[in-house]
Amino acid sequence: DTAVSQTPKYLVTQMGNDKSIKCEQNLGHDTMYWYKQDSKKFLKIMFSYNNKELIINETVPNRFSPKSPDKAHLNLHINSLELGDSAVYFCASSQGQRSPRYFGPGTRLTVL
Amino acid sequence: DAKTTQPTSMDCAEGRAANLPCNHSTISGNEYVYWYRQIHSQGPQYIIHGLKNNETNEMASLIITEDRKSSTLILPHATLRDTAVYYCIAYNFNKFYFGSGTKLNVKP
Repeated sequence: DTAVSQTPKYLVTQMGNDKSIKCEQNLGHDTMYWYKQDSKKFLKIMFSYNNKELIINETVPNRFSPKSPDKAHLNLHINSLELGDSAVYFCASSQGQRSPRYFGPGTRLTVL
Repeated sequence: DAKTTQPTSMDCAEGRAANLPCNHSTISGNEYVYWYRQIHSQGPQYIIHGLKNNETNEMASLIITEDRKSSTLILPHATLRDTAVYYCIAYNFNKFYFGSGTKLNVKP
């Protein structure tokens, strides 16, 4: 019974392509997030959604577009992939912003 | 959010207590101290959090100094599976930033 799941686990693609990463949580949480972990292992928040509404949008290129079809899902679509987008992307969820965040297993994106 | 500083790495013998320090000298009154860990190639795992009082759960204990400028995460009986990077975060419900963390090496 995975609490926060992401697909795919690995994604290898060419520069210029468009790709999506899916995230689902079965914890009943109302807030979901996307984080990026670069090669130096720093975790940076990208987006935060509460009840399907965007509440945090860090300085992320417009090529990144999150979409939340319902409270349990937050997908990340990336257009025109660049080499610098290579990283591990983590989805997370929490019950409101004041509660602990639970993370998914990550998606390792490699742009060639 | 207050910045936190942690040692880059620490070693601990298996079965002994691991005490991981964190300085957050600029923490404000409404900022909680959160601890997470990340085992290699996995997503960050929530451990514990607190505001003023010491906290304990099935994973660890959190000791916060009276002035709240520092805290210590205690793993009472470290095992090899506790080898991970441990992150201390001071959070005021705005942005949740992970720093560089402490790499804990538990050795047999």
